[in-house]
Amino acid sequence: DGGITQSPKYLFRKEGQNVTLSCEQNLNHDAMYWYRQDPGQGLRLIYYSQIVNDFQKGDIAEGYSVSREKKESFPLTVTSAQKNPTAFYLCASSKGHLQETQYFGPGTRLLVL
Amino acid sequence: AQSVTQPDIHITVSEGASLELRCNYSYGATPYLFWYVQSPGQGLQLLLKYFSGDTLVQGIKGFEAEFKRSQSSFNLRKPSVHWSDAAEYFCAVVNDYKLSFGAGTTVTVRA
Repeated sequence: DGGITQSPKYLFRKEGQNVTLSCEQNLNHDAMYWYRQDPGQGLRLIYYSQIVNDFQKGDIAEGYSVSREKKESFPLTVTSAQKNPTAFYLCASSKGHLQETQYFGPGTRLLVL
Repeated sequence: AQSVTQPDIHITVSEGASLELRCNYSYGATPYLFWYVQSPGQGLQLLLKYFSGDTLVQGIKGFEAEFKRSQSSFNLRKPSVHWSDAAEYFCAVVNDYKLSFGAGTTVTVRA
């Protein structure tokens, strides 16, 4: 079964702690994306990667970091610099061209203790 | 910058009734438009998309959308709503290097 997996489903962060959200896809897609979802605000792009070893900042990259060492993996680290990290985080992938459909993972909900 | 507006935050509809969700975009050229649906606590699923050609687009789950350039709109419709259609719906437009999403419309279905 091809698809996108995100783990964990729920994640708790303590003050000053960095946490990493996992995103894996077995769709052989070149492009991957991270979005943040807050109530009433739709989805906002954090980072995206069009190819391995390359990634670009989205609209709200401050306080976040990513890596793209493998085609199938695009982990997102929420650093201590992100002062309001509580949100629902969605990972997506697409074949590469922006007109191609983006397929979404089930999401990770990050909560601050 | 290109943007998407969904004027209705919340819509309540009776089961079996018709549904129309509004989406307006601002864009100079022919936009690439999408409708996604999200069930609570889940990821997004593509309902349909428009790139060019026929302005009436058919999607999954019995949904359709009509692209109207003169009104800068891409409204989503379903003739008869089922209880399982209760969800949040997002309109999105390709904006340079990314998708720009509207704020979403929550649909409640009453028996």
